[in-house]
Amino acid sequence: DTEVTQTPKHLVMGMTNKKSLKCEQHMGHRAMYWYKQKAKKPPELMFVYSYEKLSINESVPSRFSPECPNSSLLNLHLHALQPEDSALYLCASSQTQRGGQQETQYFGPGTRLLVL
Amino acid sequence: QQQVKQSPQSLIVQKGGISIINCAYENTAFDYFPWYQQFPGKGPALLIAIRPDVSEKKEGRFTISFNKSAKQFSLHIMDSQPGDSATYFCAASPYGQNFVFGPGTRLSVLP
Repeated sequence: DTEVTQTPKHLVMGMTNKKSLKCEQHMGHRAMYWYKQKAKKPPELMFVYSYEKLSINESVPSRFSPECPNSSLLNLHLHALQPEDSALYLCASSQTQRGGQQETQYFGPGTRLLVL
Repeated sequence: QQQVKQSPQSLIVQKGGISIINCAYENTAFDYFPWYQQFPGKGPALLIAIRPDVSEKKEGRFTISFNKSAKQFSLHIMDSQPGDSATYFCAASPYGQNFVFGPGTRLSVLP
């Protein structure tokens, strides 16, 4: 099973709202990722968690706050977003990120976010 | 040096034809080269991947050709079908680090 699940599928929020995106995998992967994807563009890396610790933050604004409660779950907390933050938010996981060769990343279906 | 270039930006192929997408990179530390297929509104799905110790890898109708000296790799889709119509991203990864994606190619296969 190479499935990464994400909820919700769609989210509409105002600029003063607080919401969270959820990602789950049960493949035993120890690296998990958040990407942002705008229309007709490739995914842009936001955060990487390796063994439940934040290892990479690609200079993402503080209105995005990631959390990794355990090795299977990854959350992205959203607060005071801007309309330009509207995008497809993708979660991915891979077998390992720290050391060794880069393993395949498996992507979830994404959450389509619209900020009004 | 972290950039991956991809061409063409869009491609139209007749059903049964061969689709060819090319990528080029500069960073010699890249050692893993996957191709992802993405349908509208869906997440990218791994199609096929190659490491630099082989020059070609084939899986069904999909083939990656890899030219280490030229720092180029390409995806060939044989007998292209309308269901192959999607956006294709090449990517590259340096040892133990994260993917760099190409800008993508939108493929349309006409029936």
